[in-house]
Amino acid sequence: DQQVKQNSPSLSVQEGRISILNCDYTNSMFDYFLWYKKYPAEGPTFLISISSIKDKNEDGRFTVFLNKSAKHLSLHIVPSQPGDSAVYFCAASPRPAGTYKYIFGTGTRLKVLA
Amino acid sequence: DAGVIQSPRHEVTEMGQEVTLRCKLISGHNSLFWYRQTMMRGLELLIYFNNNVPIDDSGMPEDRFSAKMPNASFSTLKIQPSEPRDSAVYFCASSPRGGNEQYFGPGTRLTVT
Repeated sequence: DQQVKQNSPSLSVQEGRISILNCDYTNSMFDYFLWYKKYPAEGPTFLISISSIKDKNEDGRFTVFLNKSAKHLSLHIVPSQPGDSAVYFCAASPRPAGTYKYIFGTGTRLKVLA
Repeated sequence: DAGVIQSPRHEVTEMGQEVTLRCKLISGHNSLFWYRQTMMRGLELLIYFNNNVPIDDSGMPEDRFSAKMPNASFSTLKIQPSEPRDSAVYFCASSPRGGNEQYFGPGTRLTVT
């Protein structure tokens, strides 16, 4: 039973355009959400996070939007660059602190075309 | 800082053999997480420790899997006996006290033939 779902296994976007990666969750107890990026042969690295008290968090080219009523979050990358090509995982937790477990989605592979 | 260190990076073994994966936490971190990545299920949490104590092992698939933290900076994940369906990439991650991020190691790619 996947509590965190990324329904698009892959996405291709032209360089300079916007990339939108989506994530849905089922557990209303989730309180903190994160996006991780993973390059081949490397471990995932933290990208951006959002607490449930917010609906938007921005960091440079990356913005995460949270719609609690729809149990949906999205990651926007503007403008997309070839170096953004990676697998993106969304994760959710019932607590904000890192000492609690995260539930990860299955990932979306983003390919940014030059 | 060297980051989270995992060894070996690749392991190929025959079905029935014992496999031990190792992880060294980032200095000063006090939480340790073991994950398994597969195409079908993505990143699954197997077990996590806080201050060397196992907090949640509900993700450990079977009794064949066991994990230990003999000290504050080191952990092992053991599979005995290994089976072909255990083939996956295994990651460990650590987190500082009160921190909101988990820092992942490079992973161990396990192949059981």
